[in-house]
Amino acid sequence: GQQLNQSPQSMFIQEGEDVSMNCTSSSIFNTWLWYKQDPGEGPVLLIALYKAGELTSNGRLTAQFGITRKDSFLNISASIPSDVGIYFCAGTYSGTYKYIFGTGTRLKVLA
Amino acid sequence: NAGVMQNPRHLVRRRGQEARLRCSPMKGHSHVYWYRQLPEEGLKFMVYLQKENIIDESGMPKERFSAEFPKEGPSILRIQQVVRGDSAAYFCASSPGRGQLNTEAFFGQGTRLTVV
Repeated sequence: GQQLNQSPQSMFIQEGEDVSMNCTSSSIFNTWLWYKQDPGEGPVLLIALYKAGELTSNGRLTAQFGITRKDSFLNISASIPSDVGIYFCAGTYSGTYKYIFGTGTRLKVLA
Repeated sequence: NAGVMQNPRHLVRRRGQEARLRCSPMKGHSHVYWYRQLPEEGLKFMVYLQKENIIDESGMPKERFSAEFPKEGPSILRIQQVVRGDSAAYFCASSPGRGQLNTEAFFGQGTRLTVV
């Protein structure tokens, strides 16, 4: 079946640093989405991408839909303590509306 | 997450009992998805429904699990004769089901099922 490899699995960073994480697929995806999940809560949509090469920002977050349509990355600039959480990529591919989720990147910010 | 309502938030069941999880989608959304999340793992797709129709249930276990989204009322995920391995967080998401926005799904806060 479809698989999304997300890296890194976890990271500790200092407050103020920039963060980068990525997601790769074995298949071509039509849509890439990035979610953040806090403990005990559901995922919250951060950014949605619909076209190869698309670069979209949401505040300090920037995400890009890879040209090959098999990858995406998420950058967080000037991290703050509330950025702590698990970041998931998710994608949909042609002919289906179900989301395939990555395994998550666990971000911890050291003040 | 505001708008997608799941209840209960926490559910404890003994082995062999039935679990019923409810999901009310956001206003105006006609598509509902159910996902299961085990601790320290990502979300696994279970089923995708529109009103009165199951569109894709490729992620549902063949036995004991069923889902519905009736014309009136919430979507229900039903697990019969629960076993300890069913313990997980179950998330519901909804989307408008029109055009590009169809793929922007919004999640509820989940139901955490514990089987004892």
